[in-house]
Amino acid sequence: EAGVAQSPRYKIIEKRQSVAFWCNPISGHATLYWYQQILGQGPKLLIQFQNNGVVDDSQLPKDRFSAERLKGVDSTLKIQPAKLEDSAVYLCASSLDIGSTQYFGPGTRLTVL
Amino acid sequence: DQQVKQNSPSLSVQEGRISILNCDYTNSMFDYFLWYKKYPAEGPTFLISISSIKDKNEDGRFTVFLNKSAKHLSLHIVPSQPGDSAVYFCAAARYGGSQGNLIFGKGTKLSVKP
Repeated sequence: EAGVAQSPRYKIIEKRQSVAFWCNPISGHATLYWYQQILGQGPKLLIQFQNNGVVDDSQLPKDRFSAERLKGVDSTLKIQPAKLEDSAVYLCASSLDIGSTQYFGPGTRLTVL
Repeated sequence: DQQVKQNSPSLSVQEGRISILNCDYTNSMFDYFLWYKKYPAEGPTFLISISSIKDKNEDGRFTVFLNKSAKHLSLHIVPSQPGDSAVYFCAAARYGGSQGNLIFGKGTKLSVKP
């Protein structure tokens, strides 16, 4: 069974530029999560989808971050404009349903200069 | 306000001995606890979990203990192997009445010396 796929793996941008990350969850998984992991911290949830609907985006900085999962499968997370403090690893995870084990992708390491 | 705390940033253990990783939480509404293992440049991998109605769950060399009154859980690895060297994250969730999102600790880096 294929795992969670993410791209790109690494991205370096200047502050105020925009960037987008892509995630393809495990086939059949209804729930998709985006986490931000800053160096030395544990992952922090940004947004959670159930199929193509948002379940929780309370910690998403909505003035600069946006995410969508239009067809209930893959998802994109966008940052516009990026700030220095956005430098982190962005992890995508998926689960069969809410409350099921979450499986993580390899993450995208973002460096904002 | 950190709801899940892993107070030891690192732990070094000799191969074959027991590794004990600790985790404390503050929110009594958490009803499910998980441990994830993370190797460099990879995403976290699910290791073992425990429901709040239990006080112990075992899976091979890995055992998780939950002390609800102390709001404390621990992961025991016996015997420890060099391949266990990784960062271990404790996570908690409120599956009973919430969206199921995980609250993670900061992680403990385990080094198992041959």
